[in-house]
Amino acid sequence: DTAVSQTPKYLVTQMGNDKSIKCEQNLGHDTMYWYKQDSKKFLKIMFSYNNKELIINETVPNRFSPKSPDKAHLNLHINSLELGDSAVYFCASSQVGTDTDTQYFGPGTRLTVL
Amino acid sequence: AQSVTQLDSHVSVSEGTPVLLRCNYSSSYSPSLFWYVQHPNKGLQLLLKYTSAATLVKGINGFEAEFKKSETSFHLTKPSAHMSDAAEYFCVVSDSSNTGKLIFGQGTTLQVKP
Repeated sequence: DTAVSQTPKYLVTQMGNDKSIKCEQNLGHDTMYWYKQDSKKFLKIMFSYNNKELIINETVPNRFSPKSPDKAHLNLHINSLELGDSAVYFCASSQVGTDTDTQYFGPGTRLTVL
Repeated sequence: AQSVTQLDSHVSVSEGTPVLLRCNYSSSYSPSLFWYVQHPNKGLQLLLKYTSAATLVKGINGFEAEFKKSETSFHLTKPSAHMSDAAEYFCVVSDSSNTGKLIFGQGTTLQVKP
């Protein structure tokens, strides 16, 4: 069974469109994260949620809006897509309190904006 | 603020020879340090983690890393490289805020030649 899953794996879209990426974890973790990996493979955290509450928001444009319907899901909605949004987006999860720092990553979603 | 610097952007070794991937960290407290591996077009997999229990940390697939406080280093080693080790390797430090935020190094591409 996949611990952290993301859909879709690939997403190709036009500038100006709105799109969503979904993430689900079946590890029972209470904290989930979104990371962006740019074309130089540099990874940077965007958001994290703990029990549906936003706890990290790293100077990300307002066009990006995370949504956590429950602690097993953290979706990323992006409005008015721009060329610079092209990247690989990774979801991750961890359990705060015990082994807090160990994050388990999903397979990534490669977003291409044309 | 915590940070990590991976000293080599690219390392090339022959199969069967030792691997050394270098990482220096900067932290105002005793950090949690990690090595993650990313195979082409895949997500990130945790190789090993240091949390002050033991300075020599053994990970998966024969990798290990040694925490050296005096040198602020956390280099990753493996005695004998295998073709399947070819991947991108990230040295990571945990942020001190206890929010689970991870700070990634720039990555080192490991090439293994037959």
